[in-house]
Amino acid sequence: SAVISQKPSRDICQRGTSLTIQCQVDSQVTMMFWYRQQPGQSLTLIATANQGSEATYESGFVIDKFPISRPNLTFSTLTVSNMSPEDSSIYLCSVRPRDRGNTIYFGEGSWLTVV
Amino acid sequence: DQQVKQNSPSLSVQEGRISILNCDYTNSMFDYFLWYKKYPAEGPTFLISISSIKDKNEDGRFTVFLNKSAKHLSLHIVPSQPGDSAVYFCAAKSSGTYKYIFGTGTRLKVLA
Repeated sequence: SAVISQKPSRDICQRGTSLTIQCQVDSQVTMMFWYRQQPGQSLTLIATANQGSEATYESGFVIDKFPISRPNLTFSTLTVSNMSPEDSSIYLCSVRPRDRGNTIYFGEGSWLTVV
Repeated sequence: DQQVKQNSPSLSVQEGRISILNCDYTNSMFDYFLWYKKYPAEGPTFLISISSIKDKNEDGRFTVFLNKSAKHLSLHIVPSQPGDSAVYFCAAKSSGTYKYIFGTGTRLKVLA
């Protein structure tokens, strides 16, 4: 499976600020996704990061709040904008490698706490 | 609308015995199912998957069973080990998409 690196792994953020999370994969992948896991909840898909074009957002998530970039096949960023305590979550990068069929793999996650 | 449900939030099993984790789904368009294990402070780790055209897939101590008529899948871990203690998520993918829906998770505790 692909090696997926996320930065930062953990951060404490002030209310009203923005933070960008980076996801780097060690091999080219067909698809990259961003998920969120709020405390005690399941994993929820935020968006699919599309290379060279705007991300595809799921219902309840908007570009102004969660801008996403994917400049190439191995790198993506997710920004959490104008943060509030409700944004305190684990944010997870996920990829679908070229040679692994329909299986997706996850990075270690970025734990954000908004105070 | 919870399309993938894990009705047991927690499960305790003695070391060496079988752990059975269950997952129910409602969408008949799901064509691929996966199980992940998650430790605290880590991302989910892929365990095993199954296509909707199969009813069983086995990988070492892990076996996944799929009952399409009942819209039910289960993960069997035999024998259970203390290191298996984690939260287990099932996930499902809709045919023609790459959107994965996750269940709410079951916390497994394997007692030594």
